[in-house]
Amino acid sequence: DAGVIQSPRHEVTEMGQEVTLRCKPISGHDYLFWYRQTMMRGLELLIYFNNNVPIDDSGMPEDRFSAKMPNASFSTLKIQPSEPRDSAVYFCASSARVLGDMGSPLHFGNGTRLTVT
Amino acid sequence: SQKIEQNSEALNIQEGKTATLTCNYTNYSPAYLQWYRQDPGRGPVFLLLIRENEKEKRKERLKVTFDTTLKQSLFHITASQPADSATYLCALVGGSYIPTFGRGTSLIVHP
Repeated sequence: DAGVIQSPRHEVTEMGQEVTLRCKPISGHDYLFWYRQTMMRGLELLIYFNNNVPIDDSGMPEDRFSAKMPNASFSTLKIQPSEPRDSAVYFCASSARVLGDMGSPLHFGNGTRLTVT
Repeated sequence: SQKIEQNSEALNIQEGKTATLTCNYTNYSPAYLQWYRQDPGRGPVFLLLIRENEKEKRKERLKVTFDTTLKQSLFHITASQPADSATYLCALVGGSYIPTFGRGTSLIVHP
């Protein structure tokens, strides 16, 4: 298995531009998570999906952020318009809880480093 | 409010020694506690999970303890090697079953 795949690895954009981050979870995993990591705040959960349905988006900082999961193998996180304070590393992770083990670990992608100038 | 604390200062140890990292939490009743390793430029990688009714878990050179009275987990790496140098994150899994992460502690093992 190739693991969780994120693209792009790096994104540099100017303030006000739209940014779209992409994620392909591990096949068969029924949970998908978007986290943001900064030095100041560590890893913060933004939103998570179960079976392609958004369950909790309370971590999404503002209406400028939106996430979709149109099918089991693809998710996007969009920021429009972007601001310098959005600069961070954004991680996608997936998890398999089909056996009901709610302690199942997360499998992370290698992240997208976003820089907004 | 819920709080997870990991030592923000890097832990420097000599190769061959045992590294011990600490994860403390407040205002939390986790059902599970997980430990992850993160290398620079990479995503966290799962290492170990321990349940609230378990005191200790081992995997090769790794050992995790979980004290729900002290609200603390200790993560040990025995016979440490320079390749163990990384940031180690603890994550608490409570009623929502969604992991909440600490900010991690950097471990540097000197040859």
